[in-house]
Amino acid sequence: AQSVTQLDSQVPVFEEAPVELRCNYSSSVSVYLFWYVQYPNQGLQLLLKYLSGSTLVKGINGFEAEFNKSQTSFHLRKPSVHISDTAEYFCAVLREYGNKLVFGAGTILRVKS
Amino acid sequence: DTGVSQDPRHKITKRGQNVTFRCDPISEHNRLYWYRQTLGQGPEFLTYFQNEAQLEKSRLLSDRFSAERPKGSFSTLEIQRTEQGDSAMYLCASSLVRQGFDEQYFGPGTRLTVT
Repeated sequence: AQSVTQLDSQVPVFEEAPVELRCNYSSSVSVYLFWYVQYPNQGLQLLLKYLSGSTLVKGINGFEAEFNKSQTSFHLRKPSVHISDTAEYFCAVLREYGNKLVFGAGTILRVKS
Repeated sequence: DTGVSQDPRHKITKRGQNVTFRCDPISEHNRLYWYRQTLGQGPEFLTYFQNEAQLEKSRLLSDRFSAERPKGSFSTLEIQRTEQGDSAMYLCASSLVRQGFDEQYFGPGTRLTVT
């Protein structure tokens, strides 16, 4: 079975500052990795995904994440955040050839002016 | 271009009542998923369909829950005799199965409040 741990439940940050949201996963088989964003009362929007290849993946809205197999981590970063980035962010894994996403508990990013 | 749609967006019901939610996937997507998200948690898998066949159900899906996808297009999720613990956001996702990878697109969710 797979599991995902998001190490911070809330991350406050000032506008234009850099941010890192941490994600660790556990799996005995190969997995694909994802970050989703959820704005209040909305569904999930895919930010980026890692399937294979380059360990640094770039997504929408200026976000990027780095896959580290030895650390079993997939941390999300943005060099300069905006107020509009305030939302909840979920890390998720999908077993290779699997069919159900396993999500972390989420990290609320609060961007302050 | 239409994404995944869900109806209703919000539902308030009294304990013991039955409720039904609908999900319309992206057209031509052959897989459809239901997830449940409780406050402060990430979504948890409930069940999924490939075309009209329900292929897997989580043990979270008690006997009071039933899901259908009768013609391989839209799906319904029914909860009978609702309990306060059923209060959650119910998310639907759809995907087109490709070799080795299955990108899921999520709908806006139905927020259920049981009073």
